[in-house]
Amino acid sequence: GQNIDQPTEMTATEGAIVQINCTYQTSGFNGLFWYQQHAGEAPTFLSYNVLDGLEEKGRFSSFLSRSKGYSYLLLKELQMKDSASYLCAGMDSNYQLIWGAGTKLIIKP
Amino acid sequence: IAGITQAPTSQILAAGRRMTLRCTQDMRHNAMYWYRQDLGLGLRLIHYSNTAGTTGKGEVPDGYSVSRANTDDFPLTLASAVPSQTSVYFCASKNGQSSGELFFGEGSRLTVL
Repeated sequence: GQNIDQPTEMTATEGAIVQINCTYQTSGFNGLFWYQQHAGEAPTFLSYNVLDGLEEKGRFSSFLSRSKGYSYLLLKELQMKDSASYLCAGMDSNYQLIWGAGTKLIIKP
Repeated sequence: IAGITQAPTSQILAAGRRMTLRCTQDMRHNAMYWYRQDLGLGLRLIHYSNTAGTTGKGEVPDGYSVSRANTDDFPLTLASAVPSQTSVYFCASKNGQSSGELFFGEGSRLTVL
């Protein structure tokens, strides 16, 4: 079956670094996505990885290991506005996204 | 402003009533999707359309229908609403079936009593 696993909730301190992990099982693989969703709002795209390695975009980085079926999202210099849910999604062989339930990130001052 | 517009934003509906959620995009994206989002669960695909004139069933299609008469519009209809269809519904689009970034509408919160 297809499955995406990520932690339900994480807490971190403003200014710190946090890593949100995601493991995936999909029928075929066409990439791994991370989206950010603030409470009551729509998800917005953060990153896409299809090759192994680290992709850096400002304070946010995303890593992929295809052999391990594993990805992580790294958030540096945390700000209060980073409090949100972070959704991991794998794209299967039919180009459909399989979504994790999301990780709610709580930032404390 | 380019993007996806959903309507209504919020609706309370009696069980058994028919309801259509509207979705319009002005980005000329080929692929469009309807998801539902429930607490503790990931986004679940209801129906999708890879191009105007074609539709397909997603993970949870029962009780829902869609049409794609043109590129811009992708309405979702609940023929006879049931309480288990209480959810937040998101319409999304992307430029091509195999491309990456999905653009989401703001969501429609539906409560079925």
